[in-house]
Parts: sequence; structure tokens; C-alpha cells
Amino acid sequence: QSVLTQPPSTSGTPGQRVTISCSGSSSNIGSNYVYWYQQLPGTAPKLLIYRSNLRPSGVPDRFSGSKSGTSASLAISGLRSEDEADYYCAAWDDSLSGVVFGGGTKLTVL
Amino acid sequence: QVQLQESGPGLVKPSETLSLTCTVSGGSVSSGSYYWSWIRQPPGKGLEWIGYTYYSGSTNYNPSLKSRVTMSVDTSKNQFSLKLSSVTAADTAVYYCAILRYSDYDYRLDYWGQGTLVTVSS
Repeated sequence: QSVLTQPPSTSGTPGQRVTISCSGSSSNIGSNYVYWYQQLPGTAPKLLIYRSNLRPSGVPDRFSGSKSGTSASLAISGLRSEDEADYYCAAWDDSLSGVVFGGGTKLTVL
Repeated sequence: QVQLQESGPGLVKPSETLSLTCTVSGGSVSSGSYYWSWIRQPPGKGLEWIGYTYYSGSTNYNPSLKSRVTMSVDTSKNQFSLKLSSVTAADTAVYYCAILRYSDYDYRLDYWGQGTLVTVSS
């Protein structure tokens, strides 16, 4: 049982826009930044979004993040086949003094 | 560019201790801006934060694993390590070392090792 809640799966067709939600609580998302990680099959996770809505260098602007209260979302526009991956949200948790993750969302590009 | 590489046995017997090392290149484990972290991922499942250690030797562990986890830093070898005792099949996972970079309430895991699969089996 993950601390943050994500839908287990979502899908879209090329060119479409999809969003992935992430729900937490006041001790994590409600009081800290949200991070999104992309895990391509067989590889380590890669930082996709930091400080809730910022992209590291090299991440396409098709990826965007937002946060409101104790929830956050990742949006992917102009969906491409190479976006097919698992996506994880994460946040610092003040009660744990550590990182908490969502259970991950598997994105399928149809 | 910082690079991380996990190493250690791929097979551990039940009740024994899992030991992994992460070698850091392109950076120093003595850096005060980084928390040296371990995360694991059971086959087909999600990510679980195990804990972190700091260059000073301070540590913080996931409460669910705290009684079995020990992390440390070896500045002479530019490495940090994980020990997990009394392992069971539930500890079978890919173990990742990662850098948790902290700055102004920003806690990001922006460097990851490639991961190493550890199987617990007799």
C-alpha cells in the first residue's frame, strides 16, 4: 500500500493529451513539492518533474506538472510511442522525514 | 555528471544479511548537499524508499524497515552501503542507489544507479 495514490494504468493514442493524478495528505503533497519520475521498461527511474512543475534540462515541454492542495497531476501532451512507461509521483513526507512514492501508473500508447 | 553503480551478491539466503555497495564517480560522498539513498522495487511492483545516509554518518530509515537496515558512508572509497538483515523472500527486489539532493525544501532524486536485482532464496 503506497502512501501516495495513483491510478494503476492509463492509455492514449499518439498526439493525444493524458493526465495522471496523484493524491496524498497534508504531511506530504499538502506541504511539500511533488516530483514525477518516468521509468522506461528495464531501466532506472528518471526525474521528469521537480518542484511540482519544473522540468530538468532535456525533458520535453510536452510534460508538465501541477499541484493543488493535497493532489498533483502530470500532463503529457502530444503523446508519442516513446512515452510508454511507468510514471511515479513522489514527495517528501514531514511525518516520515523521508520520501514517499505513489504506486505508479502504467501508460500505454495505443 | 555524477554516476552511481551498485554492487553486491545477486542471491542471498533467507535469514541472512543483504549487503550492497554504491560506488560514486564524478562526485564526492563528502558533499554536504546530497543524501545518499537506497530505493527498492520488487518485481512488477512500485518503488519503496529504504532510507538515506549523510556524509556525517547520520541516517534516516523507512520505519517499516528501520529495525533491519544499516547504511553507512566510506569517504576513503567514495562509496556508501546498505545492509538489510534477516531477509525473507519479500525482500527480493531491484535495489537502486540514488542521490537525494536537498536545497530549499527541494528533495529530488536526480541521479540513480542502474539497479541490481537481489533474490532471496535458499
